[in-house]
Amino acid sequence: AQSVTQLGSHVSVSEGALVLLRCNYSSSVPPYLFWYVQYPNQGLQLLLKYTSAATLVKGINGFEAEFKKSETSFHLTKPSAHMSDAAEYFCAVTPRGTGKLIFGQGTTLQVKP
Amino acid sequence: EAGVTQFPSHSVIEKGQTVTLRCDPISGHDNLYWYRRVMGKEIKFLLHFVKESKQDESGMPNNRFLAERTGGTYSTLKVQPAELEDSGVYFCASSQELLSYNEQFFGPGTRLTVL
Repeated sequence: AQSVTQLGSHVSVSEGALVLLRCNYSSSVPPYLFWYVQYPNQGLQLLLKYTSAATLVKGINGFEAEFKKSETSFHLTKPSAHMSDAAEYFCAVTPRGTGKLIFGQGTTLQVKP
Repeated sequence: EAGVTQFPSHSVIEKGQTVTLRCDPISGHDNLYWYRRVMGKEIKFLLHFVKESKQDESGMPNNRFLAERTGGTYSTLKVQPAELEDSGVYFCASSQELLSYNEQFFGPGTRLTVL
């Protein structure tokens, strides 16, 4: 069965610092990969997705993620954190041929002034 | 356009009672998904509708949960009778086409507390 692991349930960075949120997946066939963000009292919002077109994927709000098949990873990065980036971030996969999302445990990002 | 809406936003009930959650997807979206997040755990898939048909209900925990989508528009998720372990946040999502890489649009969730 496919699974997703997010390392670190809480990550704290200073404003302006690099953001790195880690995600590893397990799958015999590269799945489709997603990063979603949830701001307080809102639904999940898609940041970016990997669909095999390009290994470096750019998303909204300056975020990007790189698909590394050899490491089965899809880490999310942003060069400079902003206070408004404070939220919970979810990595997810969709097994090919299905519509359901399989989520990691989520990582709460705190941005300190 | 209006996003995915869910009602109620919060529900507090006692063990043994019945609760019905409602989801209104984005207009025109044939695919509707239910997910649940129990406190401290990951978000888990419950089931998937394509129009009014259940495409995949492999994530439904037991027969106390009943999901319907009459007419292929809004969906309801009924829990009867509710148990303590049913507490959590229930999310609904919708997408336009059944493609594995399609974006799913999420509602804000219903927080269910069973006492």
